[in-house]
Amino acid sequence: AQKVTQAQTEISVVEKEDVTLDCVYETRDTTYYLFWYKQPPSGELVFLIRRNSFDEQNEISGRYSWNFQKSTSSFNFTITASQVVDSAVYFCALSEAGGYNKLIFGAGTRLAVHP
Amino acid sequence: DAGVTQSPTHLIKTRGQQVTLRCSPKSGHDTVSWYQQALGQGPQFIFQYYEEEERQRGNFPDRFSGHQFPNYSSELNVNALLLGDSALYLCASSLGTPGSPLHFGNGTRLTVT
Repeated sequence: AQKVTQAQTEISVVEKEDVTLDCVYETRDTTYYLFWYKQPPSGELVFLIRRNSFDEQNEISGRYSWNFQKSTSSFNFTITASQVVDSAVYFCALSEAGGYNKLIFGAGTRLAVHP
Repeated sequence: DAGVTQSPTHLIKTRGQQVTLRCSPKSGHDTVSWYQQALGQGPQFIFQYYEEEERQRGNFPDRFSGHQFPNYSSELNVNALLLGDSALYLCASSLGTPGSPLHFGNGTRLTVT
């Protein structure tokens, strides 16, 4: 069965703090894809990153970094030096190779960054 | 390059009525998927259209139906609306290749009273 768990419902930080959003997934497939999306108050889901199951390299993009560990079935997202504009709901999602890109989403983590 | 566009932005309907939501995919994308997002929850997959056929369906009743047109745009129809159908309906488009990221529209906020 496919499942994505984001245990943190809400996180509140002060600007410039670092914050890590956790994501744990379950799948029986050996080939799968993991995603992070950002949902600002406007409602649109904004694609941030995709990793495939064969690539465990961590990735950094500006203040964003992602840590993918197959051994613990985790795909965590860190924002360094958070800013007020980072305030949003963040979703982790999974798709399996045979699933025609159908996404299974976690429940989301609401991040509030205060000035 | 226009992204995914959805219309209308907001809708208010009464129980028992029918509603049609519309979606135009991102240029170059041939696959359209629909998701329902209840307040405070993650999006749930409704169905996906490819080559004008429903290719995959989530756990939603037959009251939910759709269509894809030759220009890849899509409609989501919901019949016999229930209060529980109140949600944000998101359309996403993608390429057909495995692992292609989905690109989402701003959604249609449906309120059923």
